[in-house]
Amino acid sequence: DAGVIQSPRHEVTEMGQEVTLRCKPISGHDYLFWYRQTMMRGLELLIYFNNNVPIDDSGMPEDRFSAKMPNASFSTLKIQPSEPRDSAVYFCASRYTSGSSYNEQFFGPGTRLTVL
Amino acid sequence: AQSVSQHNHHVILSEAASLELGCNYSYGGTVNLFWYVQYPGQHLQLLLKYFSEDPLVKGIKGFEAEFIKSKFSFNLRKPSVQWSDTAEYFCAVNKGFGNEKLTFGTGTRLTIIP
Repeated sequence: DAGVIQSPRHEVTEMGQEVTLRCKPISGHDYLFWYRQTMMRGLELLIYFNNNVPIDDSGMPEDRFSAKMPNASFSTLKIQPSEPRDSAVYFCASRYTSGSSYNEQFFGPGTRLTVL
Repeated sequence: AQSVSQHNHHVILSEAASLELGCNYSYGGTVNLFWYVQYPGQHLQLLLKYFSEDPLVKGIKGFEAEFIKSKFSFNLRKPSVQWSDTAEYFCAVNKGFGNEKLTFGTGTRLTIIP
């Protein structure tokens, strides 16, 4: 199993540009999560999906951020327009539902975004 | 809103020293508790998890954690650390079945001196 795959691994862009981050969850997982990690705020949940449907986007910082999951094997997080304060590492994670147990989330390697 | 506190921001230890990293959470109901580790340049990996069974949980690489409900704590321990344990450690809390949000602490950076 390749694990959660994220691309690109590094992204450097200029303020005002559109940025698209991509995630491929582990096959068979029905939950997908997007997190942002910064020195100041630690690891924050932005949004999560269940069976491709967005369930909770209360962590999305503002309207410049949007996320989609068109199918079970692909999700995008888009920032338009990007700002320097969006610089962070963005992680995608996935997990599967199994009975009544809460199963661990498996994290991808992250995308390090730098907005100049 | 629930929160997770990790009071130790940076811990420096010598090899073979004993380790205890603190984690406290604010939610009063049923919780699931986790410790994740992030080695330099790598993604987060699960060390151990607590799901309402034995309050003393054993994880990978010799780590363990004890859930003390009365203290709202889930401290991570290891009796003898190794240089390879140098990493950032995150405590996380989930409110129980039906709530999918995982709230993370701000992390503790652990540096082991050979």
